[in-house]
Amino acid sequence: KNEVEQSPQNLTAQEGEFITINCSYSVGISALHWLQQHPGGGIVSLFMLSSGKKKHGRLIATINIQEKHSSLHITASHPRDSAVYICAVNERGDKLIFGTGTRLQVFP
Amino acid sequence: DGGITQSPKYLFRKEGQNVTLSCEQNLNHDAMYWYRQDPGQGLRLIYYSQIVNDFQKGDIAEGYSVSREKKESFPLTVTSAQKNPTAFYLCASSPRAGYTEAFFGQGTRLTVV
Repeated sequence: KNEVEQSPQNLTAQEGEFITINCSYSVGISALHWLQQHPGGGIVSLFMLSSGKKKHGRLIATINIQEKHSSLHITASHPRDSAVYICAVNERGDKLIFGTGTRLQVFP
Repeated sequence: DGGITQSPKYLFRKEGQNVTLSCEQNLNHDAMYWYRQDPGQGLRLIYYSQIVNDFQKGDIAEGYSVSREKKESFPLTVTSAQKNPTAFYLCASSPRAGYTEAFFGQGTRLTVV
């Protein structure tokens, strides 16, 4: 079993829909990251969380430390949100453990 | 603009040849990392360096080598001993060892034919 599990693996949506991507982890962590990988391959950091909730534009990330679970929400989705979203955790210090990613496609 | 530069974006090599992937950062970060990404798998750590002239093996170091002669540079050599070298390679850096946030490059897609 992977230490970081994401669901769903693939997600399609119509423009404007509310989207949720889930991440569960089995190890103790110091921080959790949500990353975005576009088709070209480069990765951008969206959020780093250690508790609670963060919001940036149409993106919201939450984490429940007790339940070892995090969610990434996208409100009013747009085709430019199409990407792979990756959850990663810092188990100890700076080394990251990555989930396998959720591929999101938003259609006009 | 500060950032991490990986080059080239696409690389093709014949089987049995060594190949070196470049990673340069101008963020003045102490720590640098190399990850490998395969379809359907999460990124896996190949090597990391917490300070100049020092580096440690990650989870999948076999068949790879690195050097860290300068703070801003952390090249990765994929040797002929690496059995499945075709993959997407990502370089990352963080301000210092133990700092949780990482900054990523754009990646290099290596294809060995």
